Amino acid sequence: EAQVTQNPRYLITVTGKKLTVTCSQNMNHEYMSWYRQDPGLGLRQIYYSMNVEVTDKGDVPEGYKVSRKEKRNFPLILESPSPNQTSLYFCASTPGGSVNYGYTFGSGTRLTVV
Amino acid sequence: AQKVTQAQTEISVVEKEDVTLDCVYETRDTTYYLFWYKQPPSGELVFLIRRNSFDEQNEISGRYSWNFQKSTSSFNFTITASQVVDSAVYFCALSEARGAQKLVFGQGTRLTINP
Repeated sequence: EAQVTQNPRYLITVTGKKLTVTCSQNMNHEYMSWYRQDPGLGLRQIYYSMNVEVTDKGDVPEGYKVSRKEKRNFPLILESPSPNQTSLYFCASTPGGSVNYGYTFGSGTRLTVV
Repeated sequence: AQKVTQAQTEISVVEKEDVTLDCVYETRDTTYYLFWYKQPPSGELVFLIRRNSFDEQNEISGRYSWNFQKSTSSFNFTITASQVVDSAVYFCALSEARGAQKLVFGQGTRLTINP
């Protein structure tokens, strides 16, 4: 089944403890992206990647890192999480290096930082 | 810069009523794409429709229909004879052919269908 897989689905952590949210897609998509969803703000882009070893900042990149060493994987790294990073996170991918096809989303990761 | 506005934060209707979700967008690009996604209570984001800026035909899919009007920069979504399973948060989104490589989302409309 074609899908984007995120792990974990739920995570509660403490301030300052490094964490990684994994994202993997099995559709050979070039483009991958991370979004966060917050009430009243919709979804906002954190980082995106056009292909392997090509990443760029989105609208809210502060406090996050990403890497794209393989085409299928695009992990989101929080080096020192803070409570304002409590949010619902989505990984997304799309074929052909163009977002105009629309995204396939992962199931989401609900992160709570205490 | 691209922008999407969903002015209705929450809508509540009784089952079988028709309901329209509004979406207004801003873009400087002449070629762009509009999307609707559904987020049910389980939390995942489900693709509903994609429309490009050169196709102004309205689309109908079962009880769902979309009205695209370039003159008013709107892409509204109507659910006919609503059902409880339609309860969800609905997001409208926009991408530009020559703009930033991302979908820009509206704030979302929470739709509650009461039995």
